[in-house]
Amino acid sequence: AQTVTQSQPEMSVQEAETVTLSCTYDTSESDYYLFWYKQPPSRQMILVIRQEAYKQQNATENRFSVNFQKAAKSFSLKISDSQLGDAAMYFCAYRSAMGGGSNYKLTFGKGTLLTVNP
Amino acid sequence: NAGVTQTPKFQVLKTGQSMTLQCAQDMNHEYMSWYRQDPGMGLRLIHYSVGAGITDQGEVPNGYNVSRSTTEDFPLRLLSAAPSQTSVYFCASTEAGETGYTFGSGTRLTVV
Repeated sequence: AQTVTQSQPEMSVQEAETVTLSCTYDTSESDYYLFWYKQPPSRQMILVIRQEAYKQQNATENRFSVNFQKAAKSFSLKISDSQLGDAAMYFCAYRSAMGGGSNYKLTFGKGTLLTVNP
Repeated sequence: NAGVTQTPKFQVLKTGQSMTLQCAQDMNHEYMSWYRQDPGMGLRLIHYSVGAGITDQGEVPNGYNVSRSTTEDFPLRLLSAAPSQTSVYFCASTEAGETGYTFGSGTRLTVV
């Protein structure tokens, strides 16, 4: 079974600065997808960024980028130029790339609560 | 608007009561799932379905039932609510060939 570990229960950053959230995972599969989700106080789950394991290039979405280290099974999220609206709970998640049945499921880490200080 | 609709958004139950959390999607997604979110635990899979008539258990299925009579709907039933089922519940859907998921807005359930 796959596991996802977020070792930082809480993080804080000053507005306009950069912060990196850590995520490691364990799997025996070679092809899979990794995600970062943001959950603001509204409770809505918002997809921030996704990475396909077979792609070497790290995914980037505006101020959000990842450092994907497949051999180390590490998938960290970097937020540049942090804004007050970035304050939220962030979840790292894993999904198998194999089709069918339980392979569609998402396995989540326990989350990192990010505070942005003005 | 296309998406996943969950009802109700909030609910308070007494121990032993039953209720159904509703989930509907209008994207013709094959895969639907229910998660519960507890502080410090992340989201954990309760039940999932890969199509109408097909359901299976996830990581924490005890105390919950599901059915999938149509592609659109995937209700979650609590037959006899317990305080341990106090949580926030999310429904999510996706389809084969997609990597992203669409989440509902969640239901905050309190069992007293």
